[in-house]
Amino acid sequence: DQQVKQNSPSLSVQEGRISILNCDYTNSMFDYFLWYKKYPAEGPTFLISISSIKDKNEDGRFTVFLNKSAKHLSLHIVPSQPGDSAVYFCAAFGGARQLTFGSGTQLTVLP
Amino acid sequence: DVKVTQSSRYLVKRTGEKVFLECVQDMDHENMFWYRQDPGLGLRLIYFSYDVKMKEKGDIPEGYSVSREKKERFSLILESASTNQTSMYLCASSSQGASDTEAFFGQGTRLTVV
Repeated sequence: DQQVKQNSPSLSVQEGRISILNCDYTNSMFDYFLWYKKYPAEGPTFLISISSIKDKNEDGRFTVFLNKSAKHLSLHIVPSQPGDSAVYFCAAFGGARQLTFGSGTQLTVLP
Repeated sequence: DVKVTQSSRYLVKRTGEKVFLECVQDMDHENMFWYRQDPGLGLRLIYFSYDVKMKEKGDIPEGYSVSREKKERFSLILESASTNQTSMYLCASSSQGASDTEAFFGQGTRLTVV
């Protein structure tokens, strides 16, 4: 049973517009969430994180929103750039030592 | 600059071979992990280790074993490679601190079993 779900396998967005990537989780013990970005043939790289005591965290063009009651988080990228085209993984941490990852969303930013 | 290094970028092995994937980190991290990435399935945890000589099974340990003889090195072993183990393998490490839950990944090893 997937504890972290990314229900959209792919998303296409025009350059300059907003990209919104969604993630849902089922485990109430999760208290720290991260987004990773992955290019083909490379390892994932950390992008942004949020603690459960916050509902928003912003870093430049990237903002992550957390809705604990809905067990939902989203990553907003504004403005989207062609170099943002990658697979984005949502991950959660809940006291155990390991992260639990979602299945990923392929973002394509069209020039 | 922090680094997790995997010994090979690409490997091709035959069915039944014993395969070793090596990972080294230079951040003095306590935790190390092996994941595999498959389309539509995301990153699935195979094994992890939180200390030298310690190991714990992840979600999909069958057909794999691991070794952690030194803090900086974590090896994944495929005892008898099978075609369904063709995948991208990713090693990661993280600090044990509660606020340091970010995991750093290696560049990945694309393993093909023929």
